[in-house]
Amino acid sequence: EDQVTQSPEALRLQEGESSSLNCSYTVSGLRGLFWYRQDPGKGPEFLFTLYSAGEEKEKERLKATLTKKESFLHITAPKPEDSATYLCAVQAGLGTYKYIFGTGTRLKVLA
Amino acid sequence: EAQVTQNPRYLITVTGKKLTVTCSQNMNHEYMSWYRQDPGLGLRQIYYSMNVEVTDKGDVPEGYKVSRKEKRNFPLILESPSPNQTSLYFCASSFRAGGSYEQYFGPGTRLTVT
Repeated sequence: EDQVTQSPEALRLQEGESSSLNCSYTVSGLRGLFWYRQDPGKGPEFLFTLYSAGEEKEKERLKATLTKKESFLHITAPKPEDSATYLCAVQAGLGTYKYIFGTGTRLKVLA
Repeated sequence: EAQVTQNPRYLITVTGKKLTVTCSQNMNHEYMSWYRQDPGLGLRQIYYSMNVEVTDKGDVPEGYKVSRKEKRNFPLILESPSPNQTSLYFCASSFRAGGSYEQYFGPGTRLTVT
């Protein structure tokens, strides 16, 4: 069964304290792994797509990496405005548009 | 402005009273999807559409219907809502980027069924 697991569920960091969020997945025929950011009361906002093991993408203080079993979202020197829930999702299977989301990591960055 | 819109944003209804949540996108995206988000369960896909008149079930389709008669619109229909359909609903649309699809989400519809 296709599955996406994120850890930790919640994370509190001091401003400037770098850390990583984990997304482990079990899918058949991975077509893409996605990271989204969700602020309270809003829809998820697209951050990154990763397609194959070894791929990395960066955006400001965020860097996403992918292996054959998991993805990491590295946050370097976070700021309070980085506080949000970070969601990982996979798209798997040919000829479908099925998405499977993890339950997210709630990040709180303290000033 | 490129966006996905949903209406209504908030809805309180009673068990069994048919309702429709509308979703519209102005980006000419082929692909659209509906999700529900519940605490501890994350986002779960209800239905998706890969083109006009082409729809398919996601992971939790029971109790829901959809239609895609026009490219821009993808309404979600609850024929006989029940309390277990109380949830936060999101519509999303996407285009194909490389081998996969980057989704753009609407602002959400909070539905309460009493």
